[in-house]
Amino acid sequence: GNSVTQMEGPVTLSEEAFLTINCTYTATGYPSLFWYVQYPGEGLQLLLKATKADDKGSNKGFEATYRKETTSFHLEKGSVQVSDSAVYFCALSDPTGGFKTIFGAGTRLFVKA
Amino acid sequence: DTGVSQDPRHKITKRGQNVTFRCDPISEHNRLYWYRQTLGQGPEFLTYFQNEAQLEKSRLLSDRFSAERPKGSFSTLEIQRTEQGDSAMYLCASSSFRGTGDEQYFGPGTRLTVT
Repeated sequence: GNSVTQMEGPVTLSEEAFLTINCTYTATGYPSLFWYVQYPGEGLQLLLKATKADDKGSNKGFEATYRKETTSFHLEKGSVQVSDSAVYFCALSDPTGGFKTIFGAGTRLFVKA
Repeated sequence: DTGVSQDPRHKITKRGQNVTFRCDPISEHNRLYWYRQTLGQGPEFLTYFQNEAQLEKSRLLSDRFSAERPKGSFSTLEIQRTEQGDSAMYLCASSSFRGTGDEQYFGPGTRLTVT
C-alpha cells in the first residue's frame, strides 16, 4: 500500500542555518506530493505541493522537488527563522489508492535565535 | 470565507458515553475528510465524502464510528460507547477537486479525552 516515511525529529537549528527534512514515499500510481505545516496552537496548513515528476513546489522560501527515480520529496530552506519552528508533515495523494491523503509521522523543527 | 470550522474544540467524556463532533467546510468545497491524529503521529484517514455521498471508509472506522454529511454541507462524526483508545485529535478537512493535486484545508480539530 501507499506510505510516506520522513526523518525523525526533533531537528534543532540556529537561525539562518540550512534546513533539509527528508521524505520518501511508496505509491502504486502517480501521486501528488505535499508538505503541510502545523505551527504551535494552529491547524495544519498546506506549505507546498508538486503534482508530477520533476515539479518543484515552493512557498515562503521552502522548496521541494518531486523525484520519481528516488521516490523522494525532500523539504529544503536556505536560511531558517525562529518563526519557522513548527511540525512539518510530508504527504501523498494517489487517486489509484483511493481518495485519502497519506501523511508521514511529522518532523518537529526548533529554530534557536 | 472563514475557513473550515469544527465544534467543539475540546471534549472530555467518560468511557461508554456517546460523542458527536461537527465540521463546517469551506462553502464551495465538495469534498470533506475526517482524520484522527494522536500525539507524535501524522493524521490518519478515517472517511471521505464527495457532496453527500460517503465514498470511502478506513478500517480504523469501527462499528462505533459513524459519519454523515446531509445535503452535502456540514458533516458530523459520532463515536458511540467511547473507549480510552479513542482519545485523539479529530481533524476535518475540505477540498475542491481541480483535476490533480487535492489540496486540503484543515480545521483546528476537536480534541477528545476519554476518561
